[in-house]
Amino acid sequence: ETGVTQTPRHLVMGMTNKKSLKCEQHLGHNAMYWYKQSAKKPLELMFVYNFKEQTENNSVPSRFSPECPNSSHLFLHLHTLQPEDSALYLCASSQNSHEKEKLFFGSGTQLSVL
Amino acid sequence: RKEVEQDPGPFNVPEGATVAFNCTYSNSASQSFFWYRQDCRKEPKLLMSVYSSGNEDGRFTAQLNRASQYISLLIRDSKLSDSATYLCVVNDKSDSWGKLQFGAGTQVVVTP
Repeated sequence: ETGVTQTPRHLVMGMTNKKSLKCEQHLGHNAMYWYKQSAKKPLELMFVYNFKEQTENNSVPSRFSPECPNSSHLFLHLHTLQPEDSALYLCASSQNSHEKEKLFFGSGTQLSVL
Repeated sequence: RKEVEQDPGPFNVPEGATVAFNCTYSNSASQSFFWYRQDCRKEPKLLMSVYSSGNEDGRFTAQLNRASQYISLLIRDSKLSDSATYLCVVNDKSDSWGKLQFGAGTQVVVTP
């Protein structure tokens, strides 16, 4: 158990659906991240939140909408996704965004868009 | 050119043998380096940092070659449990926030 919990573990959705991914960290960290991992490709950083403030949006399409109500919780709201958005979505946390190398990841949500 | 490149493998290693693999990075300004391990269908986990002088953690040895811009990971006395994908991570710190670059990973399969 890494201290970072993601739900759901698996998600299948149609292109017209709206769903949300949830992440919670119990480590007392102040920075949280969303990463996308496609098969055989490097992890791609999507969003960074530091002390609840979004500090980075890595040119992510607007069909992905993050929300960070507090330092322990992070959401990724999904709507009108495309099949190419199918991937493993990983949430991570670190002490703060200056210590971004020492990341603690959740188990991820395996997303399939039909 | 990819910022961080790794041989995808797989490296098939008999149990008890030694395996080593490299990761090259393109940004000469890169300042910190790490190896993460990712088991099949699991999340990545930090394995070790890579220091300029090289460092060892049990059976794992990491080296940095700044001149040739690569880092390496060596695993001695391989165990079945070492089977995983090893991700190279580079922080170029080109600004105050830094930019973390991940490699696509090198798969290691340790066989009985």
